[in-house]
Amino acid sequence: NAGVTQTPKFQVLKTGQSMTLQCAQDMNHEYMSWYRQDPGMGLRLIHYSVGAGITDQGEVPNGYNVSRSTTEDFPLRLLSAAPSQTSVYFCASSYEWTSTYNEQFFGPGTRLTVL
Amino acid sequence: DQQVKQNSPSLSVQEGRISILNCDYTNSMFDYFLWYKKYPAEGPTFLISISSIKDKNEDGRFTVFLNKSAKHLSLHIVPSQPGDSAVYFCAASDTQGGSEKLVFGKGTKLTVNP
Repeated sequence: NAGVTQTPKFQVLKTGQSMTLQCAQDMNHEYMSWYRQDPGMGLRLIHYSVGAGITDQGEVPNGYNVSRSTTEDFPLRLLSAAPSQTSVYFCASSYEWTSTYNEQFFGPGTRLTVL
Repeated sequence: DQQVKQNSPSLSVQEGRISILNCDYTNSMFDYFLWYKKYPAEGPTFLISISSIKDKNEDGRFTVFLNKSAKHLSLHIVPSQPGDSAVYFCAASDTQGGSEKLVFGKGTKLTVNP
């Protein structure tokens, strides 16, 4: 298993540009999520999905869109990038939300800089 | 309002000694707690977890203690090794209440000196 994969690893955008951060998992996990990590702020939840076709907002959803058309993929879209979105983005997945062992597996991250 | 708090941004210990990382939470509905370790330029990796029906869980050198009345948990690493140097995140979830979100603290950077 490749686990959770994220592309690209690094990206530089100009203000106002759009892009999609890709996330895929091959563990047949139902639950997937996106976090951003900023210095001194820990990991903050952006959006999450409990299964294909179902998404919901996390703590910091503004400026981001998600969709979940398949179990495997959970892309994160920035429609109009802003410098405040400069961050490291992590995708994570777990078997299901209500399982006894709610361990989330994280991808390696995408480092995004918005100029 | 921060629901999961790690009040020590950093901790430095000597190799072979015990490392104790602390975490406090405010939401009494949290019933499952996890610790993650993160090395620079990598994603967080799961370390150990504990359910609210327990007060202790052990896995090798790592032990997590939960004090529900104080809304406090701690991670003990014994003995500490230089390879344990990383940022440790505490996380909590309410698995029964319909809030399908894992809430993280801000992390504690542990440095183990040889």
